[in-house]
Amino acid sequence: GQSLEQPSEVTAVEGAIVQINCTYQTSGFYGLSWYQQHDGGAPTFLSYNALDGLEETGRFSSFLSRSDSYGYLLLQELQMKDSASYFCAVRDRAHGSGNTGKLIFGQGTTLQVKP
Amino acid sequence: DAGVIQSPRHEVTEMGQEVTLRCKPISGHDYLFWYRQTMMRGLELLIYFNNNVPIDDSGMPEDRFSAKMPNASFSTLKIQPSEPRDSAVYFCASSFSVGNSLPQHFGDGTRLSIL
Repeated sequence: GQSLEQPSEVTAVEGAIVQINCTYQTSGFYGLSWYQQHDGGAPTFLSYNALDGLEETGRFSSFLSRSDSYGYLLLQELQMKDSASYFCAVRDRAHGSGNTGKLIFGQGTTLQVKP
Repeated sequence: DAGVIQSPRHEVTEMGQEVTLRCKPISGHDYLFWYRQTMMRGLELLIYFNNNVPIDDSGMPEDRFSAKMPNASFSTLKIQPSEPRDSAVYFCASSFSVGNSLPQHFGDGTRLSIL
């Protein structure tokens, strides 16, 4: 089976740095994605890691260690608008080597940014 | 460019009624996904299509649920008969099959309430 673990809630103050961790267990792994969802809104894509290491996109960075089945999302210079839920998702690599595009989502981490 | 378009945005109906949710994916995308989101179960993949063909419907909860994709620009998710436990937000998402990160683009969702 496949499962992802991430903290349910994280609280931080404006301007701070916060790290949201994600550990996964999958039968086949193709890459780790991160999505952001504001309350009541549509999830939106943030980042993707297929290889070990850090990917940086502005204030957001994402890290992957395939040997540890672990990744994290790093948010720097937090702003109030960053208050949202953040989901890690693993791309399924079932059906042989085919890239199915199917994602398995974690339960999400609710980030609350305080003034 | 238009994003993924879902209709209706809100649906309130009585138990036992048929419910049809609609989705128009982004033009050119060849993957289409239907998700259900609840507080208890998080974001669940119900079914996904590739080039209008259903690939994996293992997430469809019961025979009361059915999905079709008659052409590349339209898909429906039908619940018949509906039950109160079907109340949730239903998202449709689409993506390309070519590329590395393959981000999924979500619609704004249909908020379904079954009374």
